[in-house]
Amino acid sequence: GAGVSQTPSNKVTEKGKYVELRCDPISGHTALYWYRQSLGQGPEFLIYFQGTGAADDSGLPNDRFFAVRPEGSVSTLKIQRTERGDSAVYLCASSQGGGSAAKNIQYFGAGTRLSVL
Amino acid sequence: KQEVTQIPAALSVPEGENLVLNCSFTDSAIYNLQWFRQDPGKGLTSLLLIQSSQREQTSGRLNASLDKSSGRSTLYIAASQPGDSATYLCAVKSGATNKLIFGTGTLLAVQP
Repeated sequence: GAGVSQTPSNKVTEKGKYVELRCDPISGHTALYWYRQSLGQGPEFLIYFQGTGAADDSGLPNDRFFAVRPEGSVSTLKIQRTERGDSAVYLCASSQGGGSAAKNIQYFGAGTRLSVL
Repeated sequence: KQEVTQIPAALSVPEGENLVLNCSFTDSAIYNLQWFRQDPGKGLTSLLLIQSSQREQTSGRLNASLDKSSGRSTLYIAASQPGDSATYLCAVKSGATNKLIFGTGTLLAVQP
């Protein structure tokens, strides 16, 4: 596609529920990233995929958070037993991957605003 | 642990002024530094990327500098316009990982 697409744009859920957030990266981009941005803060890294595998998941806050990218394209961020503190904008980015600076530029989607009531 | 700080947190200027946004980072072992723009309800748009071996990058009215040894970067915006109003974020990429470490941003308002 033309850009990184994230769905839904807004998600309201109740405490304790399970949610899935979807990211469609730019076509051909091998690297995909998830970040979380709380109000008034910069984005915080969650997880990075190179192809189908999670190359770095050090930013996932706990085992309620999980992400997959089974075919090396679309990724889904899954949050179990949501808590009010999970409310934030979840941003996805993709890059071409590779050694050059240009190929490492991350292109961001508009994000999914998650509200846990 | 790498920490990125941006000052000021908010800035309001009249149209036409030149301005400087500041970014500092605690660990000088970075691979590159990027400046992003974020508009309300939208994702981030990359403005400039400076490799660790570079001192500055320019794009139109924007100029970003990098002093790796002192852990500082500045974003200079010339002849500001109301359309420049947005949140500006800097982010560093350390060599060992592809993740970006972001600052908290500077909210810029350019008054017509």
